[in-house]
Amino acid sequence: ETGVTQSPTHLIKTRGQQVTLRCSSQSGHNTVSWYQQALGQGPQFIFQYYREEENGRGNFPPRFSGLQFPNYSSELNVNALELDDSALYLCASSLKEVSYEQYFGPGTRLTVT
Amino acid sequence: KNEVEQSPQNLTAQEGEFITINCSYSVGISALHWLQQHPGGGIVSLFMLSSGKKKHGRLIATINIQEKHSSLHITASHPRDSAVYICAVVNSGGSNYKLTFGKGTLLTVNP
Repeated sequence: ETGVTQSPTHLIKTRGQQVTLRCSSQSGHNTVSWYQQALGQGPQFIFQYYREEENGRGNFPPRFSGLQFPNYSSELNVNALELDDSALYLCASSLKEVSYEQYFGPGTRLTVT
Repeated sequence: KNEVEQSPQNLTAQEGEFITINCSYSVGISALHWLQQHPGGGIVSLFMLSSGKKKHGRLIATINIQEKHSSLHITASHPRDSAVYICAVVNSGGSNYKLTFGKGTLLTVNP
C-alpha cells in the first residue's frame, strides 16, 4: 500500500505566473483535500474533491482551482500568483464513506518572488 | 476568534517531563484529530477521536465533547518528541469532512 505523494517538493515561481501541484492519493482512497499552510500558521482548507467532483471549498479566490482524475489523483492549480501564495501546500486523501481519517502527503513548498 | 484554539503556543520541556497540550473548539464536531508536524512539513496523524480517551505508547489523547475541549499528553518526554502538534476538528453538518486546524503548539524537549 503506497502512501500519499506530492510533487514537486519545492518550487520557486515569479509573481503573475501559474503553477500546478500534484497529489497521488493513498491506494483505495477516493477523496483528496488540499490545504495551504502559511509560515507559522495552521493549515487552511482550500477545497476537496470526491469522485472527480469538487465537494466543498474554503475561502480562496477562483484563481485556485483543482481537478481530480479517474485514478483519484489530483491537481491544484494557482493562476496569477501573488507573494502571499508562498506557503506549504498539503494534500490529504481519505475514503469518505468509511472514515473521517485523512492521510497527509509531505507537502509542496511554494515560494513566490 | 478562531474556531480552534490551542495552548500553549510554545512549550519547552526537559527530557522526562510530562507534557500537556490543550485544544478548545467552538463548533460542533464529528471528530477531532491530533497531528504531528516535523520541520520540513510532513504531517502525521497521531489520533482521531470523537469521545473518551485513546492511548498509543507514551501519547494519550482525551476529549470532552460537552466542554468542547481536548488534551494531548506526552509521558516521559524525549527530544525526538520535539515537533509542532496540531489539533484539527471535523465540523459536523458538512458533507466534505474538511478539517479546521489550530495554529499548532511548538514543543521543544531538551536533553
